[in-house]
Amino acid sequence: DQQVKQNSPSLSVQEGRISILNCDYTNSMFDYFLWYKKYPAEGPTFLISISSIKDKNEDGRFTVFLNKSAKHLSLHIVPSQPGDSAVYFCAASDPGTYKYIFGTGTRLKVLA
Amino acid sequence: EAGVAQSPRYKIIEKRQSVAFWCNPISGHATLYWYQQILGQGPKLLIQFQNNGVVDDSQLPKDRFSAERLKGVDSTLKIQPAKLEDSAVYLCASSLDLKRGPIPFFGPGTRLTVL
Repeated sequence: DQQVKQNSPSLSVQEGRISILNCDYTNSMFDYFLWYKKYPAEGPTFLISISSIKDKNEDGRFTVFLNKSAKHLSLHIVPSQPGDSAVYFCAASDPGTYKYIFGTGTRLKVLA
Repeated sequence: EAGVAQSPRYKIIEKRQSVAFWCNPISGHATLYWYQQILGQGPKLLIQFQNNGVVDDSQLPKDRFSAERLKGVDSTLKIQPAKLEDSAVYLCASSLDLKRGPIPFFGPGTRLTVL
């Protein structure tokens, strides 16, 4: 029972263009969402968060959008850079336990 | 500020052997998490501590896995005996507290290979 889904295992984008990574969830009670970036042989690095009371949060080149009615969030990276090539995970927080449930990840490759 | 420290970084053992992992969280972080990440999957929470009390261990295979957090700081995760399916990266993370929207910060992980 996968409560947080990232349906695209991989994505390739040209340098300078926009990267859009998607995440869907099934539990409408999830109230806090995170995005992480992971390089090989390293732990996940926190990128950006969004609360369920917002529909957008921006931090530099990274913007997260939340559509509660569709139970969908997306991470936009503009402009994409080769150093952004990594695996990206979304995570959702269960308000009862504050336990984070992670998606399976999307591997982003930014082509120079 | 120092990040989350974990050791060892890599471990290879035979099935049925035991193994232990160590984690030192970010100073002042009350919440500590252990996650298991199997190749091709997202991290799965095994156990969550608030100070030295367990908040959630619903997905910890308690017949073989155990964890403790001494004095609310360092933590160890043990597997005894190990099975082939325990091969994974074990990630430790910590966050400030359990208020709304805590952000776990991860260590580099320990890659376990069970032969």
